[in-house]
Amino acid sequence: DAMVIQNPRYQVTQFGKPVTLSCSQTLNHNVMYWYQQKSSQAPKLLFHYYDKDFNNEADTPDNFQSRRPNTSFCFLDIRSPGLGDAAMYLCATSRPYREGRDTQYFGPGTRLTVL
Amino acid sequence: GNSVTQMEGPVTLSEEAFLTINCTYTATGYPSLFWYVQYPGEGLQLLLKATKADDKGSNKGFEATYRKETTSFHLEKGSVQVSDSAVYFCALSETSGTYKYIFGTGTRLKVLA
Repeated sequence: DAMVIQNPRYQVTQFGKPVTLSCSQTLNHNVMYWYQQKSSQAPKLLFHYYDKDFNNEADTPDNFQSRRPNTSFCFLDIRSPGLGDAAMYLCATSRPYREGRDTQYFGPGTRLTVL
Repeated sequence: GNSVTQMEGPVTLSEEAFLTINCTYTATGYPSLFWYVQYPGEGLQLLLKATKADDKGSNKGFEATYRKETTSFHLEKGSVQVSDSAVYFCALSETSGTYKYIFGTGTRLKVLA
């Protein structure tokens, strides 16, 4: 089945120690999104790619970076995690064509714990 | 700007009860509207969608109708099950450029046996 995969599902890191979360997709979608979701809140968009074109949200801290080496993979790098960065990180994709492009398909998420 | 207002939770129902979760929106143009469900520790799963006025989205017994006159997209289910316990998010897709989502705050549903 075509899908969005996130690894690892659970990640523990130490305060200030860089961490990378990964997302892959078999849907061949042009657009990939990274969201941060804290407990009992709606997901908050950090940034997204349309193909290789990177789009950062204005309020995304510089501590968060992203890479997309090819269509299938996208990475979220947190350069110096703080306690406030503990959250669920969700990856999503959307289709390349206008019809249906507005539907986002989410992965299962990575739960990040910062000690 | 665009916004989504969603019914406050938690909502607690007995099994087989009727469910309504209210969602209203403010938007320019004609956004698509979505309901997503999130089970504990999981990502968001698309439950249903509607792309234009009077469209009805339906899936797994859940329904929602895109009402432009009342700017609403209320989620309904005739008979809930314990397995429906989850958090439900209403969202709209912005109509320009990036098609980013605007999410509601989420409504936690708890169904008791």
